[in-house]
Amino acid sequence: EVQLLESGGGLIQPGGSLRLSCAASGFTFSSFSMSWVRQAPGKGLEWVSAISGGGGTAYHADSVKGRFTISRDNSKNTLYLQMNSLRAEDTAVYYCAKGGVSTTPLDCWGQGTLVTVSS
Amino acid sequence: QSALTQPPSASGSPGQSVTISCTGTSSDVGGYKYVSWFQQHPGTAPKLMIYEVSKRPSGVPDRFSGSKSGNTASLTVSGLQAEDEADYYCSSYGGSNNLIFGGGTKLTVL
Repeated sequence: EVQLLESGGGLIQPGGSLRLSCAASGFTFSSFSMSWVRQAPGKGLEWVSAISGGGGTAYHADSVKGRFTISRDNSKNTLYLQMNSLRAEDTAVYYCAKGGVSTTPLDCWGQGTLVTVSS
Repeated sequence: QSALTQPPSASGSPGQSVTISCTGTSSDVGGYKYVSWFQQHPGTAPKLMIYEVSKRPSGVPDRFSGSKSGNTASLTVSGLQAEDEADYYCSSYGGSNNLIFGGGTKLTVL
């Protein structure tokens, strides 16, 4: 059974940094692109970042480009999202999802971790 | 790129069919076959219901179907059941290595 478990969320002040992790199990992690998708309170879904199976190619939404960095450690079956220069508008539940932006659909999602940016 | 356009709400009675639209442009929905639909119940993670316009993942009932015409994709739920009440989101590859979501549609089973 595919399982994705996010961690690392919490309350952080504007301008601060946070690193989210997503532990994966139940599939060959290195064979699949992975993504982060966020959902602000009461709002819709917003794609944030994606990374190829080998980790050599990464993509970010314009709204986070230059501030967020997606990465992965295939030896640990773990996906990461380094978030710097956080803003109030980054407040959201962040979901880790198996899949990418095109050929591999987002077919499995974690339960999400809440990031709150507030002073 | 702008979010895809979905109606904020849709509704139907048990047993009826309802169709939710998702309108984009020729640069996203109209230009690629990579359209997906997700179901999200309150307080839970989204669940993939349709991918590549009309394909159903294993375990998704065949009451759910997808289609596309031009720049508009559609999700049809036939034989509505109470458990189908949820938010539904479409997504499409937007070119330039990005993914675009729709604003979401709240489906109410009357």
